[in-house]
Amino acid sequence: QKEVEQNSGPLSVPEGAIASLNCTYSDRVSQSFFWYRQYSGKSPELIMSIYSNGDKEDGRFTAQLNKASQYVSLLIRDSQPSDSATYLCAVRNDMRFGAGTRLTVKP
Amino acid sequence: DTGVSQDPRHKITKRGQNVTFRCDPISEHNRLYWYRQTLGQGPEFLTYFQNEAQLEKSRLLSDRFSAERPKGSFSTLEIQRTEQGDSAMYLCASSFSGSSGNTIYFGEGSWLTVV
Repeated sequence: QKEVEQNSGPLSVPEGAIASLNCTYSDRVSQSFFWYRQYSGKSPELIMSIYSNGDKEDGRFTAQLNKASQYVSLLIRDSQPSDSATYLCAVRNDMRFGAGTRLTVKP
Repeated sequence: DTGVSQDPRHKITKRGQNVTFRCDPISEHNRLYWYRQTLGQGPEFLTYFQNEAQLEKSRLLSDRFSAERPKGSFSTLEIQRTEQGDSAMYLCASSFSGSSGNTIYFGEGSWLTVV
C-alpha cells in the first residue's frame, strides 16, 4: 500500500461547479496534512494545511480531515478555468506526496 | 528574492557523467528536502535534513545519489554515473520545524536530461 493515495483522475468539471479531490493515507500517526497545486512545468505551491479533524475553509477552498478514516479531501467551490492544475496531497512532517489528481475546469 | 533557490535550472548531460545540483533554502528554515518528479507523478521523496543532519534517505535512492548540507545552510545533490532513467525534475524544498506546523516551500526545480 502506498503511503499516500489520490484519485488517479483526470477530473473534469464545468466552470462554476464544485470540484472534489480525495486523498487517503496509511500512517495513522500523521498529524500534518497539506494540499498543493502544481501547474504544468512549475513547482508545487501550498493551498492549504490542516491539522485537526473537521473542515477548514479559505476562500473558495475547503479542506476536510477525518483521521479515524484516514482521509483528507479538498473542495473547490465555484471552480474557475485557472484552477486547472494537478493537486497534490502531502502528509507528515517529512512530506510524503500522493501522485496527484489532474483537474480540468472547462469554461 | 528570499525564496528557495536552485541551480542550475536546466542540465543536459551524457549518460555516465556526474551532475551536482545546489539548493539554497529560505534563510531561517532548518529543514531541507530533496524530491524527484517525473511527468505525471507526484514528487518522490529522496531525503531530508534538519540543520546539517541527514535524518532520512529513501530506500529508493541508489548509491549513485548523495546529498550533503555541510553547514546547515545550502545543500547539494550529486548523481554519479547518470543513467537515462535519472532524467527528471529535482525539487528542493525547505521548512521551519516549529510548533505551528511544517509548511514547506519549493524551489523552481532543476531539470535534468540524460542523453
